[in-house]
Amino acid sequence: EVQLVESGGGLVQPGGSLRLSCAASGFTFSSYAMTWVRLTPGKGLEWVSSIGNSAASTYYADSVRGRFTISRNNFRSMLYLQMSSLRAEDTAVYYCARGSYYYELWGQGTQVTVSS
Amino acid sequence: DIVLTQSPGTLSLSPGESATLSCRASQGVSSKYLGWYQQKPGQAPRLLFYDASSRATGIPDRFSGSGSGTDFTLTISRLEPEDFAVYYCHQYGTSPQTFGGGTKVEIK
Repeated sequence: EVQLVESGGGLVQPGGSLRLSCAASGFTFSSYAMTWVRLTPGKGLEWVSSIGNSAASTYYADSVRGRFTISRNNFRSMLYLQMSSLRAEDTAVYYCARGSYYYELWGQGTQVTVSS
Repeated sequence: DIVLTQSPGTLSLSPGESATLSCRASQGVSSKYLGWYQQKPGQAPRLLFYDASSRATGIPDRFSGSGSGTDFTLTISRLEPEDFAVYYCHQYGTSPQTFGGGTKVEIK
């Protein structure tokens, strides 16, 4: 079955760190760029970061650049998002999605809550 | 950044009626690189259209997408109970890609 499964979300204090993972299966992971998108209650959907299929290129929203790092392991079909210096406004459901333009395949999402 | 403004914010309709959702961009969307997504509570977004009017896999033909430049429209004819959800437009032609704030289609 073609699917994406996120994990790693949770409750973290402001200034803390968290690493999200996304496990891909059912397709040739190394052939696709991958993206993280988040859903916040107040702002709706927001593009966070994308990575090329070979990891040679990475892209970030201004709101997370310098604090978040996207990476991937094509041998393990895994996508990651290392988040540091977390802020309250990073509270959201984080989705991984296949592609870097439009997204036909999404994971179910993982909740990240930044609060003291 | 390109700002996408969706209207109305909420649309209250009955099953069987038609819905017209608007997405207006603050500047022209490159090469019609505009998509539409449907999202229900607790679920991931579902791609409806890409490139403004290309229907994604499995999307019924009561959904249609149109537009170019700065004005785009998603039309749902004959609303089914499963169509009540939040709809987002998304431009991916200019970096950074951006989403609209969403239109909620609710049961009247």
